[in-house]
Amino acid sequence: AQSVTQLDSHVSVSEGTPVLLRCNYSSSYSPSLFWYVQHPNKGLQLLLKYTSAATLVKGINGFEAEFKKSETSFHLTKPSAHMSDAAEYFCVVSGFGSNYQLIWGAGTKLIIKP
Amino acid sequence: GAGVSQSPRYKVAKRGQDVALRCDPISGHVSLFWYQQALGQGPEFLTYFQNEAQLDKSGLPSDRFFAERPEGSVSTLKIQRTQQEDSAVYLCASSLVGSVAGEGADTQYFGPGTRLTVL
Repeated sequence: AQSVTQLDSHVSVSEGTPVLLRCNYSSSYSPSLFWYVQHPNKGLQLLLKYTSAATLVKGINGFEAEFKKSETSFHLTKPSAHMSDAAEYFCVVSGFGSNYQLIWGAGTKLIIKP
Repeated sequence: GAGVSQSPRYKVAKRGQDVALRCDPISGHVSLFWYQQALGQGPEFLTYFQNEAQLDKSGLPSDRFFAERPEGSVSTLKIQRTQQEDSAVYLCASSLVGSVAGEGADTQYFGPGTRLTVL
């Protein structure tokens, strides 16, 4: 069975500094991995998706994530935080093949200090 | 349409009332999903449709929850005899297909959700 753990419930960074949101997953086979962002009172938006191609995945708004199989991690990074990045971020795993179900982490709230 | 839409955006119900939540998926999307998101948590899967067929309803928490998609487009999630523990945001998502061979889950596009409060 798959599971996903987001290691921090809250992350606070200053504007202009790097962002690191940590995610570890557990899967018995090669998963698909996603990061979604949820701004207050708005719908979930896909940031990026890893399938089985390049291990470094680039997403929207300058975010990227690296799939590390040996560490079962899929951490999300951004070189320089912007005030508009303040939101809730979810790491998501799905199974390989015909598994359409998404398993969600509990979320990490990103706080940007001016 | 341009994206997934849901209505109403907010619903307040008295305990014991029935409610119906509507989802309009992206035009042409075959797959439709319903999720429940409790405060401070990630979404949890409720049910999945491929066209009009409900292929998975394993996440529905009780027989008070019922979903349908009769014409393979718009879907309705109905909750009968609402209870306080039903209070949550109900999210609808659609995808072009359910899964992609060799890649796993297809990208799901989410609506803004319906916030249900049961008093």
